[in-house]
Amino acid sequence: QVHLVESGGGVVQPGRSLRLSCAASGFSFSRYGMHWVRQTPDKGLEWVAVIWYDGTNRDYADSVNGRFTISRDNSKNTLYLQMNSLRAEDSAVYYCARGHSTSWFYFDFWGQGTLVTVSS
Amino acid sequence: DIQLTQSPSFLSASVGDRVTITCRASQVIDRYLAWYQQKPGKAPTLLIYGASTLQSGVPSRLSGSGSGTEFALTITSLQPEDFATYYCQQLNSYPPTFGQGTRLEIK
Repeated sequence: QVHLVESGGGVVQPGRSLRLSCAASGFSFSRYGMHWVRQTPDKGLEWVAVIWYDGTNRDYADSVNGRFTISRDNSKNTLYLQMNSLRAEDSAVYYCARGHSTSWFYFDFWGQGTLVTVSS
Repeated sequence: DIQLTQSPSFLSASVGDRVTITCRASQVIDRYLAWYQQKPGKAPTLLIYGASTLQSGVPSRLSGSGSGTEFALTITSLQPEDFATYYCQQLNSYPPTFGQGTRLEIK
């Protein structure tokens, strides 16, 4: 079955960087668009970024554009999120999610999430 | 960005009840709407997409309806496993956005 496992979260100081990973299994990873979605108690669920199945296209929420980079390695079935210039408001649980086959912007499977805390 | 407003934000009901959660979009989104369920400490799970199409494995006591700006998620004959938080999400307009959530609790 589909399995997504995030890693790389932790506590980081403002202005520093962090890289999240999402290991995928149970499906043909290279055939699906993949996303990062984050969640906080205050702001709820917020879509962060998407990458096309072949990595040729990617897009970002305005709140992270220019600071975060989504990438993938289809040979390793792994999705990444490089987060630079982190701010307190980036603190959240970060989920990787698979795009649905009918439309990539429905999220049909999610990982368990990894917590990022940006604090001095 | 398109705003999605869910009502109510909190709902108390009993096993066996029928409940309806609504989601109103700030602009027309055709039928590009999904519903998710989230239980404490877990990731959301997709229930419905295209406003009314049940995701595989989702029980038929759940149903979705609506188009344009007004949508509804209905659960007939509530079961214990249905008590959770529900979110709507639109994908008609970039970026995809979520509602604030409706928490369904046991009365």
